[in-house]
Amino acid sequence: ETGVTQTPRHLVMGMTNKKSLKCEQHLGHNAMYWYKQSAKKPLELMFVYSLEERVENNSVPSRFSPECPNSSHLFLHLHTLQPEDSALYLCASSQILAVNSYEQYFGPGTRLTVT
Amino acid sequence: TQLLEQSPQFLSIQEGENLTVYCNSSSVFSSLQWYRQEPGEGPVLLVTVVTGGEVKKLKRLTFQFGDARKDSSLHITAAQPGDTGLYLCAAGGHAGNNRKLIWGLGTSLAVNP
Repeated sequence: ETGVTQTPRHLVMGMTNKKSLKCEQHLGHNAMYWYKQSAKKPLELMFVYSLEERVENNSVPSRFSPECPNSSHLFLHLHTLQPEDSALYLCASSQILAVNSYEQYFGPGTRLTVT
Repeated sequence: TQLLEQSPQFLSIQEGENLTVYCNSSSVFSSLQWYRQEPGEGPVLLVTVVTGGEVKKLKRLTFQFGDARKDSSLHITAAQPGDTGLYLCAAGGHAGNNRKLIWGLGTSLAVNP
């Protein structure tokens, strides 16, 4: 595997279900991100982990819970979601403190539908 | 308040035509990136510009960063159907934050054969 991978690619879940999204980066980066992409909105940053420590949480509802066990893996645990949470969830990674530390590399995303 | 304004929002052209899309802001940024996103996929980084007035070329794509580092343009020469996608600009270094990118809404480009 190369780059950033995400599983599953598609997920349909009921409002009472619990599921997890998985992201793995093979780039040797030290920061990972979760974004939400909805129609007619800019990419919304949800969580940032730098050196495995959560450094930013942009007021995301508690029904979304991130986990970063090491610098290569990132999870997003989902529970009791709402229909408005349906969106494309993107994982990205970057190398903090590098010359081009703003450059982020994205996975293909998980298309989430909440019914 | 949308910090990055992209225009046009939608663009549909014929194969072989030239086009320019824009990314504008009233804020100064340390760097600006362009990404292309195809349906059902994540954004793919095309280029990063960091110096005011900088011009970078990637095959038929020409990227320019404004002198004041507040805006950027992407020009495509002789567009091909493979150029179809959502072009996103993202800027870093706003308010001293070295982790967070500010994103535009994107320009959706369709190149018809």
